[in-house]
Amino acid sequence: EAQVTQNPRYLITVTGKKLTVTCSQNMNHEYMSWYRQDPGLGLRQIYYSMNVEVTDKGDVPEGYKVSRKEKRNFPLILESPSPNQTSLYFCASSLTGRKDGYTFGSGTRLTVV
Amino acid sequence: TQLLEQSPQFLSIQEGENLTVYCNSSSVFSSLQWYRQEPGEGPVLLVTVVTGGEVKKLKRLTFQFGDARKDSSLHITAAQPGDTGLYLCAPADSGGYQKVTFGIGTKLQVIP
Repeated sequence: EAQVTQNPRYLITVTGKKLTVTCSQNMNHEYMSWYRQDPGLGLRQIYYSMNVEVTDKGDVPEGYKVSRKEKRNFPLILESPSPNQTSLYFCASSLTGRKDGYTFGSGTRLTVV
Repeated sequence: TQLLEQSPQFLSIQEGENLTVYCNSSSVFSSLQWYRQEPGEGPVLLVTVVTGGEVKKLKRLTFQFGDARKDSSLHITAAQPGDTGLYLCAPADSGGYQKVTFGIGTKLQVIP
């Protein structure tokens, strides 16, 4: 089944403790992206990647890192999480970019205390 | 970043009613996409509209792209509880510009 898989679905962590949210797609998509979704603010793009080793900042990249060493994986790294990073995170992939439409993962609900 | 405004932000209706939600911008888009997000899940692509004035139908959902390609609407006929969710629009232009800004969305609740 074609899908984007995120792990974990739920995570509670403490301020400053490094964490990684994994994202994997099995559709050989070139484009991958991370979003956070907050009430009243909608989906905001954190980082995106147009291919292996090619990443760029979205609208809210501060406090996040990403890497794209393989085509299928695009992990989101929070080196020192803070409470304002408590949010619902989505990974998405697309064949070549936005004109193809996105396939989203099921989300990761992160709480930083 | 291309800004999209969606209205209304919230809509609660009875089963069987019709409704229309809107996606507007001051920018011209070459194409635009609509997504539906159900509670606890990621958004799912419903349709891409490409041509100014285009109308696409997906069962009881009718999508229209404005003639000037600055706006779009989604009309649902005889809404069902299964239509409940967050409806999002996003530009779908091709090319090298790959930042994607979604509208905040319209949260629809259909009451049985």
